[in-house]
This record gives sequence, structure tokens and C-alpha cells, in this order.
Amino acid sequence: EPEVTQTPSHQVTQMGQEVILRCVPISNHLYFYWYRQILGQKVEFLVSFYNNEISEKSEIFDDQFSVERPDGSNFTLKIRSTKLEDSAMYFCASSEDGLAVGETQYFGPGTRLLVL
Amino acid sequence: QKEVEQDPGPLSVPEGAIVSLNCTYSNSAFQYFMWYRQYSRKGPELLMYTYSSGNKEDGRFTAQVDKSSKYISLFIRDSQPSDSATYLCALLSGGYNKLIFGAGTRLAVHP
Repeated sequence: EPEVTQTPSHQVTQMGQEVILRCVPISNHLYFYWYRQILGQKVEFLVSFYNNEISEKSEIFDDQFSVERPDGSNFTLKIRSTKLEDSAMYFCASSEDGLAVGETQYFGPGTRLLVL
Repeated sequence: QKEVEQDPGPLSVPEGAIVSLNCTYSNSAFQYFMWYRQYSRKGPELLMYTYSSGNKEDGRFTAQVDKSSKYISLFIRDSQPSDSATYLCALLSGGYNKLIFGAGTRLAVHP
């Protein structure tokens, strides 16, 4: 069964460093998403991406965050200058056709980011 | 008022019990309702997806939506130890693709 994959599974970085989290969405999916979950808290939406553009973003997704689809398979989240409060589990998700309202989203296993 | 309220539990039940998990929401714009299961340190896994008031059944799982009360439920029949996980309700407004999650209810099914 097709699944969303994410690398790395764990990332430890120093405050102020840049990190890139990588995702491979399900191959025929067109909409891509990043969510995060701070330990003990809710899963929170960060950004959605379609047709090489951000379609929606949350207040959390400020200028230090960026997303990119560098090739036909990968979808990346870059945090330019990490802060302690960026420590969280980051989930990538994809859906077949986000334009079909309510299209279900399938999640990857997550990348656990720890900022020291 | 929070958009989505979900009792975090934990909920502990014996094997074979019927489990009822619930969420309430405040925004009537929510039209699509999902239940995800999340095992420890894993990604959310989609269980059920509904968009209308009423019941939807899939094996041992039944999702129930009452839009008039802004109340959604997930029932698990004949619960198994393998059902032990955190259950997240997730809601979607029409025209948007941003899932709004509840806090998740941690369920433990003991043999």
C-alpha cells in the first residue's frame, strides 16, 4: 500500500542552525501538507502546497519557514534559524486531490526535531 | 472557546468493551469529520471519514456525526489490546484543506 515517507526520523540541531525535513508524498497525490505536534500538544497545521505554490498557511508558518518541491517526488520543509520552541514532531501529509473538498489526508511517520 | 474539544483521557477499558470517544466543535463551517489513530511516536493513521450527519460503520468502528449538536463520536466494538492508541478527531471546513485536530484521547485496552 502506498505511503508517505519522511527523512530523517530524528534530527538534533543547535539553536540558530538551518534544518531541512524531507518527505516523499504518495505518488499520485497533488496536495501536500506539513503539520507539527509539540510534545503533549495537538497536531497543528503549518502549510498546504499545491501546483508549486503555498495554498494556505498558519500563523506558525512565519518567515523562518519555507517549503519546496525540488523535484517530482520530494517535498521539503526548511527552518532557516531554529529556535528552542521549534522542537516538535513534524508530519508531512498528502492528498490525492485537495481541490475535491474534504479529500482525505494521509500522514507520514514524522520527523522528531530537537533543538538544543 | 476552542474550535475542537476532546477529552484527553486516559481511558482504560477491558478487552471486549465498547469504547465511546467524542469531540465537540464550535464552528458550524466544519463539514468534514475524520478520526485518526496515532500510536506512540508514529504519524496519525486515518480510520474513518464522514461528511454528513448520521452513522458510518467500518468493521468494529462506527463514526457518528450530529451537526445540529456539533458533536461527533467514534465507537469501537469488541475492543482489542491492539486498539490501544491515541484517537484524534480532525475537522475540515468546506473550501479549505487545513485539518483542525482535537487534543486526542489516549485509550488503553487491557487483556
